[in-house]
Amino acid sequence: EAQVTQNPRYLITVTGKKLTVTCSQNMNHEYMSWYRQDPGLGLRQIYYSMNVEVTDKGDVPEGYKVSRKEKRNFPLILESPSPNQTSLYFCASSTHGTGGSQPQHFGDGTRLSIL
Amino acid sequence: AQTVTQSQPEMSVQEAETVTLSCTYDTSESDYYLFWYKQPPSRQMILVIRQEAYKQQNATENRFSVNFQKAAKSFSLKISDSQLGDAAMYFCAYRRMNQFYFGTGTSLTVIP
Repeated sequence: EAQVTQNPRYLITVTGKKLTVTCSQNMNHEYMSWYRQDPGLGLRQIYYSMNVEVTDKGDVPEGYKVSRKEKRNFPLILESPSPNQTSLYFCASSTHGTGGSQPQHFGDGTRLSIL
Repeated sequence: AQTVTQSQPEMSVQEAETVTLSCTYDTSESDYYLFWYKQPPSRQMILVIRQEAYKQQNATENRFSVNFQKAAKSFSLKISDSQLGDAAMYFCAYRRMNQFYFGTGTSLTVIP
C-alpha cells in the first residue's frame, strides 16, 4: 500500500530536549515536505526536499532542521524545542510532475506538545 | 510570499444541497497549480481536486467542481448533492514550483 508514515503520532516533551520526527514514503517520490498546522493559520511549509541531499527552507524554518540522506526518508529535527513549536505536523511527498502538477500524499500527522 | 485567503471560516449546508467554498490567492506568476484538500476529524489530508493554471477548463471530480477565474485569482469549490461524509475542514492550496501555500481553511458542516 502506498503511504507516508510518520512517527511518533503523539509526543509530549519538555523545552530544550532534542527530538526527531521520522517520515518515510514507499512511493519512490522525489519531493518531500514538512508542514505545521495551527488553528487559524492553516498549514505552513517548514522545509522541503527536491531529492537526496537537496533541501530548502519553506515559510517557517526557524527552529527546525531536516536531512535527506535517503530518498525514502525525510526526518524533522527540533534541536532545542520551545513551547511555540507545539503544533500538528505533517509530512508529505509527491513525484516531480511537470512544474509541480502532482498532488502530495500526506502522512497521518504528529501531534507535538512541548511543555 | 504568496498568500491564499479563505474568507469563510465556517459554512453549513443541508444534506443533498449544493455549497460553494471560496478561495482567492495572490500571485504575479502565470504558471502554478491549485488544489483543494479535505481534512475530516481523523485529520488526514485528502486531495479533493486540482487545477492547472494554464488550463481554462474548470476541473471536476464527481460531485466536486471548481470555478477557476485566473484574472480574478479566484478558485472556488462547489460541492453538489452534499453528503454527511463531506463534513470536514477544507483547505485551498497554491503550488508554484517547489513551494506550497495553504489557506486557513473552511469548516463545513452538513445538516441531515
